[in-house]
Amino acid sequence: KNQVEQSPQSLIILEGKNCTLQCNYTVSPFSNLRWYKQDTGRGPVSLTIMTFSENTKSNGRYTATLDADTKQSSLHITASQLSDSASYICVVSAYGGSQGNLIFGKGTKLSVKP
Amino acid sequence: NAGVTQTPKFQVLKTGQSMTLQCAQDMNHEYMSWYRQDPGMGLRLIHYSVGAGITDQGEVPNGYNVSRSTTEDFPLRLLSAAPSQTSVYFCASSYEPAWGYTFGSGTRLTVV
Repeated sequence: KNQVEQSPQSLIILEGKNCTLQCNYTVSPFSNLRWYKQDTGRGPVSLTIMTFSENTKSNGRYTATLDADTKQSSLHITASQLSDSASYICVVSAYGGSQGNLIFGKGTKLSVKP
Repeated sequence: NAGVTQTPKFQVLKTGQSMTLQCAQDMNHEYMSWYRQDPGMGLRLIHYSVGAGITDQGEVPNGYNVSRSTTEDFPLRLLSAAPSQTSVYFCASSYEPAWGYTFGSGTRLTVV
């Protein structure tokens, strides 16, 4: 069964600190992996997308990594800001299916405290 | 450029009532989807469409209907609301699903 597991479920850090969120998946055949940021009361917004051949992608202070062999991804946030407080969702896409066969993780809720 | 617009933002229904959640996009995307998001769960696909006149069921379609008469609009109809349909509903659209989706800001529905 295609699954996406994220850890931790929630995380509290101090402003200015770094953190890393984890995503493990069992999705086949793998197409791509995306990280979304979802602010409270808003829809998810894409941060990064990586295909099988990419192992790192950055978007400002956000850096995503992908290890296709171990089927793991991480999202590293550098020098956190209060505005980084949100849920971060890992989404893996499988080949086949006309709507992309998206498998959503349950998300990691990040709270950045002053 | 408005992106994906969902209305209403909040709605309270009584059990058995029907209603339509509206979704419109102005990006000329062929692909549109409806998801529901419940506490402690990932987003789950309700229905999707790959173009005007074409719709299909997702993971949790029971109790919901959709139609796609135009490229821009993809309404979701609740036929007879039940408390189990209390959730946050997101509409999303895409030019090509493999490249990612643009999500609306959601409709928070409470069924009492």
